[in-house]
Amino acid sequence: DIQMTQSPSSLSASVGDTVTITCRASQSISNYLNWYQQKPGKAPNLLIYAASSLQSGVPSRFSGTGSGTDFTLTISSLQPEDFATYYCQQSYITSWTFGQGTKVEIK
Amino acid sequence: EVQLVESGGGLVQPGGSLKLSCAASGFTFSNYWMHWVRQVPGKGLVWVSYINSDGSSTTYADSVRGRFTISRDNAKNTLYLQMNSLRAEDTAVFYCGRGGSGYSFDYWGQGTLVTVSS
Repeated sequence: DIQMTQSPSSLSASVGDTVTITCRASQSISNYLNWYQQKPGKAPNLLIYAASSLQSGVPSRFSGTGSGTDFTLTISSLQPEDFATYYCQQSYITSWTFGQGTKVEIK
Repeated sequence: EVQLVESGGGLVQPGGSLKLSCAASGFTFSNYWMHWVRQVPGKGLVWVSYINSDGSSTTYADSVRGRFTISRDNAKNTLYLQMNSLRAEDTAVFYCGRGGSGYSFDYWGQGTLVTVSS
């Protein structure tokens, strides 16, 4: 299986900050990398697919970059509703794997 | 509006069986891959199983292979997960998800809780 490692595991930030979360794959996955947001008690919500494509309806303050093994999710001008846990996921092989999650908390 | 609604969760004893369902609406179910993902409360997401659009291809996580079976009924717009030989470590919220662009999961159900305990 392909292992996905996110960093940091958690971070504290203020409204208006720019936040960057990184995700590293244990082998090259081209651009088959997706990002999800999950709020407590809710199902995950797709933010970014194919490393950098914004899912319909997702605010443009979310952006993704990367290819190969290293990827980033950037949230520009953090809003109160963005405090949540974020997961990366590889879809390069049909044994999908997620990162362990990054919890974004209010400073 | 795309909707996925899971059902069938509950309390089951170790070694027991349970069948989850995921009712789909708002899209042409037979055109999409589907997935099951689980999450231990307070922990991360773990992909469980996938099925292609006509049900001819499936894959499973190592942790459930040989115990769980994914299936679908395109006439009923419903996805299933038959879970046998359940263990305490299978306790989790189970979500169904629709396959989207880039082999992502673009819509998710609200989840159904499976508790394996004596």
